[in-house]
Amino acid sequence: EDQVTQSPEALRLQEGESSSLNCSYTVSGLRGLFWYRQDPGKGPEFLFTLYSAGEEKEKERLKATLTKKESFLHITAPKPEDSATYLCASGAAGNKLTFGGGTRVLVKP
Amino acid sequence: KAGVTQTPRYLIKTRGQQVTLSCSPISGHRSVSWYQQTPGQGLQFLFEYFSETQRNKGNFPGRFSGRQFSNSRSEMNVSTLELGDSALYLCASSLAVDSGELFFGEGSRLTVL
Repeated sequence: EDQVTQSPEALRLQEGESSSLNCSYTVSGLRGLFWYRQDPGKGPEFLFTLYSAGEEKEKERLKATLTKKESFLHITAPKPEDSATYLCASGAAGNKLTFGGGTRVLVKP
Repeated sequence: KAGVTQTPRYLIKTRGQQVTLSCSPISGHRSVSWYQQTPGQGLQFLFEYFSETQRNKGNFPGRFSGRQFSNSRSEMNVSTLELGDSALYLCASSLAVDSGELFFGEGSRLTVL
């Protein structure tokens, strides 16, 4: 059974304090590793897809990387508006994604 | 471009009742997936439809069912509600199957008393 584990569960950062979120996965036949952002009261918002080890994707202050067993989401010089829950998910068949529990990020000014 | 629309946004039911939730995908998206989100279990896949056919199903009891119409709109139904069914039910649409790039609605929050 596919498993996705995220750590830490919560992260409190000062504005400008860079950090990384971890996503460990155990998936047979990984089709893709996906990162989403979820704000309170909203549905998740797609951020990145990573397909193979060594791949990196960037968007503003966010950078996602992928190894054979883990993915990292690096937040560089975060701002308060980066506060959200970040979810990673593995994809196997179709659009059936297995989500991790998420990391709640709070960036204080 | 309108996003994914889910109705109703909030609803309260009692145990034993049934509920139907509706989802209108982004125009042109033919794949619709449903997920359940709870504080304890997180986001869990319910099922996926494409061109009115169920393509994938998660590990939920048969009380959970869904369908998709020819205009790609989708409904999910939960019968004989239990307290544990209280959750945020999220619908997501996608241009294609196997993309993993899902566009989520804001969800229907179901409370079962």
